[in-house]
Parts: sequence; C-alpha cells; structure tokens
Amino acid sequence: GENVEQHPSTLSVQEGDSAVIKCTYSDSASNYFPWYKQELGKRPQLIIDIRSNVGEKKDQRIAVTLNKTAKHFSLHITETQPEDSAVYFCAASASSGGYNKLIFGAGTRLAVHP
Amino acid sequence: GAVVSQHPSRVICKSGTSVKIECRSLDFQATTMFWYRQFPKQSLMLMATSNEGSKATYEQGVEKDKFLINHASLTLSTLTVTSAHPEDSSFYICSASFSGGLYNEQFFGPGTRLTVL
Repeated sequence: GENVEQHPSTLSVQEGDSAVIKCTYSDSASNYFPWYKQELGKRPQLIIDIRSNVGEKKDQRIAVTLNKTAKHFSLHITETQPEDSAVYFCAASASSGGYNKLIFGAGTRLAVHP
Repeated sequence: GAVVSQHPSRVICKSGTSVKIECRSLDFQATTMFWYRQFPKQSLMLMATSNEGSKATYEQGVEKDKFLINHASLTLSTLTVTSAHPEDSSFYICSASFSGGLYNEQFFGPGTRLTVL
C-alpha cells in the first residue's frame, strides 16, 4: 500500500522567511496530492492540492511542486506570518477498490516567530 | 459548499460503554465517507472507508467488531465505538467525498474528542 514520508517534523522560522516541507510517496499510481493545515483541536483545512498531470501550482504565498519521477512533492510558504504557525500534513491519494483514500504524512509542526 | 458536520464534538464516557459518533454531509450527497483517528501530536490514521448501502472496508489492524460503521444514507455515516476503553481515547474525524467532485477531494468534519475514563 501507499506510504507517505514527511520532513521535517518540526520547522522554526522567522517571520518573513520561507518555509519548505517535503514529502515522498511510494505508490506510483497516486494521482492527487493535497496539503492540509491543522490547528490544535480543529479539522484539517485544505490549503492547496496538485494533480499528477501538473508539476507546480501556486496560490498567493503558497506553492506546491510535484516530481512524479522521483515521487516527491513539496510545499513552499513564502513571507511567513505568525498565523501560519500550525501543523501541516501532506497526503497522497490513489484509487483502491473503487474509491480513493488519502494516506497522510506524519506532519510538520511549523512555528513562525515574530 | 461541501460542509460536513459531526456530532457530538466532545464526549466523555466510562470504560465499557459504547459511544456513537455521527457524520453528516450537509449540502451534498456523499458517496464515500472516511473515518480517521488522530492521537495527540500524531497524524491522521485512516480507520475505514464506507460507501452508502454497503459494508465498510477497514484498514489493517482496525477491529471491525469494535468500531462499527454504518453508512445508511448518502448524507449520514455513524461510527460506534463498542465497549470503549481508555486506550480508545482519541480525536475521531470523518470526511466525505462525492463522485464527480474535484479530483479526489475529501471534506472533513470538525472532529469528535472522545475521552474514556
């Protein structure tokens, strides 16, 4: 089955700096890669996603890149702000038994210091 | 659009009792619903996948007799934790998706915090 590895587990940056989180996946059939932001005690919020037919996607300060050959994808946050502090999860999705299930990475705790 | 609710948001129960958690898609018909468990400072672990009108598919290591899942309609799935014990204390989150939706996007409920004393 699919396995998703995520690094780093914790990331501390100064406000205004960039933050990069990297994930690798094992199942070459995976075709959908969402990124979620989760604040303590709350549901995961989708912040950006990418499909396997696209190499890069950007939405304001957030961008995601995908390298299908190497089976890795990355989240880039520029001009970080204290409100970006949260836990970020990557996930990969592939069809299994007629439906698509998400396999999550272990998460990255991002701290943005003013 | 694509709102998913869960009830209750928080439940405390005694060891040995059963607890039912409801997951509802409020503004769309969910062909598939997923149940996740999240322990403190850990990731979301998929427990099972349910399709309306059929039996749930459980992930390896998840006891189907302990975690009963019913997906009786296109807007409601329930998770019942039977004979709950302190080690079942966790944050349970459901999600829902629908055929024809963008990619394989899942819409998450707000989660239920279960504490077993």
